[in-house]
Amino acid sequence: QVQLQESGPRLVKPSQTLSLTCTVSGRSIDSGTFYWNWIRQLPGKDLEWIGYIRYTGNNYYNPSLQSRVIMSVDTSRNQFSLKLSSVTAADTAVYYCARAPYHTGGGLDFDYWGQGILVTVSS
Amino acid sequence: EIVLTQSPGTLSLSPGDRATLSCRASQSVSYLAWYQQKAGQAPRLLIYHASTRATGIPERFSGSGTGAEFTLTIDRLEPEDFAVYYCQQYGNSPPVSFGQGTRLEIK
Repeated sequence: QVQLQESGPRLVKPSQTLSLTCTVSGRSIDSGTFYWNWIRQLPGKDLEWIGYIRYTGNNYYNPSLQSRVIMSVDTSRNQFSLKLSSVTAADTAVYYCARAPYHTGGGLDFDYWGQGILVTVSS
Repeated sequence: EIVLTQSPGTLSLSPGDRATLSCRASQSVSYLAWYQQKAGQAPRLLIYHASTRATGIPERFSGSGTGAEFTLTIDRLEPEDFAVYYCQQYGNSPPVSFGQGTRLEIK
């Protein structure tokens, strides 16, 4: 059974960098063809996709956030990470990590999710 | 930028009823998925590629549609089905986007 777990600081000051890690268990992050994603849910409940990274390091970020986003992967620890720079109160959200399997017909959907971590941006 | 609009915002039904949820895209989309989210939990994948049930999803959940109009149907509502439902598209700009959700509540 695949499990994902987010970890990191729950309080970040404005203008600083939000850093989160997702630990994957039950499957090696470099086995199979999967995309490892970050998704956030804003206080009004809207869901926003941040981007994905593959175990090779290839990534694809949401254009609306890409200037502030860096994702990385550590296959030895079976983890992938998110850094979001220059945060403001608008970045306060529940952050989820999620797995997307490769479909031969295309598409990106999320079959396993972490439980989510609430990150608050406040001084 | 593609926008997904879900309707209705809230749907009030009774256990045993059929629920019909709509997701309309501002332009044609290639791939559409549906998720269920209960309070305090992460979303759960129900349907992908518009009509393919995800692993372990009961047959009472079905998806249909193409182009810019999609529907999630839940037959014979069970008490555990009352939740918020989101549609999600992949492939257009932005690469991934979600609808604003439909709340399915007990009447």
